[in-house]
This record gives sequence, C-alpha cells and structure tokens, in this order.
Amino acid sequence: GQNIDQPTEMTATEGAIVQINCTYQTSGFNGLFWYQQHAGEAPTFLSYNVLDGLEEKGRFSSFLSRSKGYSYLLLKELQMKDSASYLCAVRDGDYKLSFGAGTTVTVRA
Amino acid sequence: DGGITQSPKYLFRKEGQNVTLSCEQNLNHDAMYWYRQDPGQGLRLIYYSQIVNDFQKGDIAEGYSVSREKKESFPLTVTSAQKNPTAFYLCASSISQSAKAQHFGDGTRLSIL
Repeated sequence: GQNIDQPTEMTATEGAIVQINCTYQTSGFNGLFWYQQHAGEAPTFLSYNVLDGLEEKGRFSSFLSRSKGYSYLLLKELQMKDSASYLCAVRDGDYKLSFGAGTTVTVRA
Repeated sequence: DGGITQSPKYLFRKEGQNVTLSCEQNLNHDAMYWYRQDPGQGLRLIYYSQIVNDFQKGDIAEGYSVSREKKESFPLTVTSAQKNPTAFYLCASSISQSAKAQHFGDGTRLSIL
C-alpha cells in the first residue's frame, strides 16, 4: 500500500490563496492526482502530474517533485464554492490508485 | 449524456443479507473500480476490472464480490461476511488503467437496519 499524508483542515478568506501539501511513499509511481469532493457528492478530477514541475489550469495549479515524494495543490482567488474536501491520490506501479484522507478547505467571506 | 450511473442512491441492509450495488457506464471505458469511503478517511479500493470478464481484488476485498460480464456494467455485492458495511460506495471508470483521470458516479450510501 501507499502512505499519503495531507493536512486535515485549512481555512482561508475569499479572494486569498491556499496551498494544500501532499507527501507520499509508493512502490512504483505512475502519476499523482488531485480531486475535489463536496460533502455527500462524488469526487471530481482537478489535475494530474506525472513529471516534475507545475501544471496550471485556471485558478488551480498542481506541483510535483518525484524525488521528494511531494506535491501541492494551489488554489488562487478563492471563492465560496471552493469550500470542499481536496483529495490527493497516487497511482502505483500496478496502476492502482491510493487516496489520502483529504483536506477540508473552508472559505470565509 | 455520457456518464456513470450508480443505483440506488440509498440502500439499507438487514443482518445476514446480501445486497447488490449497481454501476453502469456509457463512456465506453475499459477499466472500472469500486471504492469505499468512511468518514474522515480516504477512498479505499475494493475491486477493479481492467477488461470484460476479468477483475482483481483491491485493498479491502474481503466480504465483497463483483462481476464484469459486460463492458458497461460492474455490480458490487456486499455479502453477509462484511461485518461493517455502513459506508459511502463509489464506482469509477477510466478509458484504460493508465488514463489521466477516473470518473466517478454519484455514489450509494449503504446503512444497516
């Protein structure tokens, strides 16, 4: 199995920036994913990193360092609708996906 | 519209009863997955299938069974051997096992009567 660690909760103000860190240990690596999940709903795909570096997609960016076993998701210009749980997931050498417990982000006005 | 449909949305199980959760996709995806989510925990893989008529156990397969007789369908049976079945069950699919993203259904919430 994999060890995937991310903070439990984060709070930020509307319009601000929040960075959610994720560290992992894996046997084989075939990509790191970030998903957004609103309470009681299905996760929705946000980003995918397989090479080192930054991937930017609108207000969301994701960074990966394979040598450090580290990723972060950056949320810019926070909106109230961004209040949700953010899940870090790592795909191993057998193409199985393992998820962290999720980071609950609360955006305050 | 293409997507993944899970049914029912809510399901109640009596002690000693088997129940089956439905998952259907019309995305023409080869790979399908079943996850379980408990409060405060990440998703845990129960079973996955990379192609029709083939499936593998995930990390927590005990007490569960699946079948993959058709490409579109991947039903999950929660057997009486699963002693703590109360959870949120999510089905997902991807075009292949190496795809950039898995797409999720809306989930089934299973509770014990």
